[in-house]
Amino acid sequence: KAGVTQTPRYLIKTRGQQVTLSCSPISGHRSVSWYQQTPGQGLQFLFEYFSETQRNKGNFPGRFSGRQFSNSRSEMNVSTLELGDSALYLCASSLAPSGANVLTFGAGSRLTVL
Amino acid sequence: KQEVTQIPAALSVPEGENLVLNCSFTDSAIYNLQWFRQDPGKGLTSLLLIQSSQREQTSGRLNASLDKSSGRSTLYIAASQPGDSATYLCAVHSGYALNFGKGTSLLVTP
Repeated sequence: KAGVTQTPRYLIKTRGQQVTLSCSPISGHRSVSWYQQTPGQGLQFLFEYFSETQRNKGNFPGRFSGRQFSNSRSEMNVSTLELGDSALYLCASSLAPSGANVLTFGAGSRLTVL
Repeated sequence: KQEVTQIPAALSVPEGENLVLNCSFTDSAIYNLQWFRQDPGKGLTSLLLIQSSQREQTSGRLNASLDKSSGRSTLYIAASQPGDSATYLCAVHSGYALNFGKGTSLLVTP
């Protein structure tokens, strides 16, 4: 059974650019959550999608956005990149909204902003 | 706002020792608590999930307990091995999202 797949695994961008990260959940999982991990702030919740609808959003600026497709795959986009956006972005999937379910995480996409 | 704290931040033990990692949280209104393991540069691996109505969960050499009233959880690792070296993260789900602690970095020396 394939796990959660995130692409790309590594990327380097410059300030002002935008980036799109992709997440393919485990087959049958309909909920996808995104988290940002930095050395200073640790893991912080970005947003959660279920059945193509955003259920919750963390305390991040509007430059951070996401969407979910009908096949449950999700993308997140960060526009006008800043140095502080350098982080490991983790995606997690679960069968249903994550409150009562185990979240399975992908390996992450490591973004470096120069 | 839910705050999750993990103590100690780092721990080094010789192989074979039993050890306890601690996690505390400020709001007892939780859906569940999950323990994860993270290897350097990698994603998170779920170890144990304790629902709010449960007191403990066990998987192999791992045992996690939950005391909602005191806002505490412990992860007990029996007979530690060098392969257990990793960062262990505690996360509490309050119905909105997982709130993570900063983790305990564990080193098990041969």
